[in-house]
Amino acid sequence: DIEMTQSPSSLSASAGDRVTITCRASQNIFTHLNWYQQKPGEAPNVLIYSTSSLQRGVPSRFSGSGSGTDFTLTISSLRPEDSAIYYCQQSYSVLRTFGQGTKVEIK
Amino acid sequence: EVQLVESGGGLIQPGGSLRLSCTASGFTVSSNSMNWVRQAPGKGLEWVSITYSGGSTYYADPVKGRFTISRDNSRNTLYLQMNSLRVEDTALYYCAKEVRGNLYYIEYWGQGTLVTVSS
Repeated sequence: DIEMTQSPSSLSASAGDRVTITCRASQNIFTHLNWYQQKPGEAPNVLIYSTSSLQRGVPSRFSGSGSGTDFTLTISSLRPEDSAIYYCQQSYSVLRTFGQGTKVEIK
Repeated sequence: EVQLVESGGGLIQPGGSLRLSCTASGFTVSSNSMNWVRQAPGKGLEWVSITYSGGSTYYADPVKGRFTISRDNSRNTLYLQMNSLRVEDTALYYCAKEVRGNLYYIEYWGQGTLVTVSS
């Protein structure tokens, strides 16, 4: 199975900061990488699919990049409502896998 | 409007069986790739199983041989039959629909149904 490793596990940043979350795959997944946001008590929602495509309705401060085994999710200017847990997911393999999550808190 | 409503969760003893249901509306289950994803209390997301429109099914290693994903096209419902349940299967189980085509991401989630395996 493809293992997905996110870093950091958690971070705390101030509103307006630029935040970057990294996701590494244990093997080449090309650009089959998705990012989800989950807020407390809610189901996840997709932010970015296929590495860099922004889901409809998602603010443009979110962006994704990468290919192969290394990927990043960037929030260009952090807002209070971005406090959540972020998960990467590979969809290259039929055996889908998620990263362990990155908790983003606002200082 | 797409809706996914899970049911069937509850408290079950280790070794027991449970069948989860996911009733869909606004689309046809049989024409889409459908997933089960679980989340243990306070933990991250764990992919469990997928069924493709063509009928192929796949499972994560921790549940392979114990869980079976299926669908009833007449009821537009997805199922997860869970046998030989273990304490570590305790989680909120989400039904999730992937987007159609070749993009392969989850566009809709249900609200989840809680499975607690405990003696």
